[in-house]
Amino acid sequence: EAGVTQSPTHLIKTRGQQATLRCSPISGHTSVYWYQQALGLGLQFLLWYDEGEERNRGNFPPRFSGRQFPNYSSELNVNALELEDSALYLCASSLGQGQETQYFGPGTRLLVL
Amino acid sequence: DQQVKQNSPSLSVQEGRISILNCDYTNSMFDYFLWYKKYPAEGPTFLISISSIKDKNEDGRFTVFLNKSAKHLSLHIVPSQPGDSAVYFCAASDSGTYKYIFGTGTRLKVLA
Repeated sequence: EAGVTQSPTHLIKTRGQQATLRCSPISGHTSVYWYQQALGLGLQFLLWYDEGEERNRGNFPPRFSGRQFPNYSSELNVNALELEDSALYLCASSLGQGQETQYFGPGTRLLVL
Repeated sequence: DQQVKQNSPSLSVQEGRISILNCDYTNSMFDYFLWYKKYPAEGPTFLISISSIKDKNEDGRFTVFLNKSAKHLSLHIVPSQPGDSAVYFCAASDSGTYKYIFGTGTRLKVLA
């Protein structure tokens, strides 16, 4: 069974541009979570989507947004990129039945120049 | 405000010995805890979890202990193997938000 997939693996942008990151969950999973891991820091919760709806959001500015599609895949959009947005962005999925194990993808490494 | 803390950024252990990774939390509403392992250039991999109704959960070489009064959990790996060398994250959530809060990680190095 395929795990969580993310694309692209690496992304280089310049300050002020927009970045779009994509995630496909494990088949049968309806919840998708996005995390940011900046250098030297732990995973910071960004967003949680379930059944197409945003369920929860971390302490990030509104320029971090996303959506979940009918097939449960998800996009994370980061507008007006800043240098400090350079990080590893991890997507995870779960069955969407409450408190449960999240399974992570390999991540997208975003570099903002 | 770091609600989940892993105060040891790194740990070195001899192969065959026990590795003990610690995690402290401040939010008494947390009732579900997990440990993840992360290799470079890969996403975190789920290891083991524990609900607050238990104080111990075991899976092979991995055992997680939960001390609710101390708001402390630990992961024991026995015996440690070189392939266990990775960064270990603990995470906590409460059944109200289902939002996971991760610690900053402990880098474990198992020496052959």
